[in-house]
Amino acid sequence: AQTVTQSQPEMSVQEAETVTLSCTYDTSESDYYLFWYKQPPSRQMILVIRQEAYKQQNATENRFSVNFQKAAKSFSLKISDSQLGDAAMYFCAYRPPQGGSEKLVFGKGTKLTVNP
Amino acid sequence: DAGVIQSPRHEVTEMGQEVTLRCKPISGHDYLFWYRQTMMRGLELLIYFNNNVPIDDSGMPEDRFSAKMPNASFSTLKIQPSEPRDSAVYFCASSLRTGPRGYTFGSGTRLTVV
Repeated sequence: AQTVTQSQPEMSVQEAETVTLSCTYDTSESDYYLFWYKQPPSRQMILVIRQEAYKQQNATENRFSVNFQKAAKSFSLKISDSQLGDAAMYFCAYRPPQGGSEKLVFGKGTKLTVNP
Repeated sequence: DAGVIQSPRHEVTEMGQEVTLRCKPISGHDYLFWYRQTMMRGLELLIYFNNNVPIDDSGMPEDRFSAKMPNASFSTLKIQPSEPRDSAVYFCASSLRTGPRGYTFGSGTRLTVV
């Protein structure tokens, strides 16, 4: 079964600085999808960024970017110019390829604190 | 688009009572998922539907839990009888099959069983 591991239960960053959250996963598939979700104190799950495994180019969304290392099964999230509103729980998630289960498998999450 | 709508937002009930959680997915989405979130276990998939048909209910903890999707715009998750260990946040999410899409989540129902 696929598993997703986030080895950093908590991280902190100074406002305007850059922080990287780590994620590794285990799968035997060659094509799949990876996601980062943000969960602020409001508990709403918000999709931050997605990556398709067959694409070598790393996804970016404004201040958010990923470092996707397929061979290493690593999918880290980089937040640049951190803002107070970035404080939240961040979840890495794996989705199998089309034709298989539609189940989204989540890591345990990393709590990010942004210090003013 | 109103997003995925869950109700109620909070529910407090006594042990042994029946609890029903409700979800309205995004119109046109053909997949619907129920997740449970706890501190100890994180986000767990309970069940998901495709075109109103249950596909995988292997995450449903026991017979006290049941889920239905009578039509494309409504789903329920029922717990009968409820127990204190069922206390958690329950999320509903919906998705389109096509493309590398993630889910769109509702705002969740925080269930407390006392």
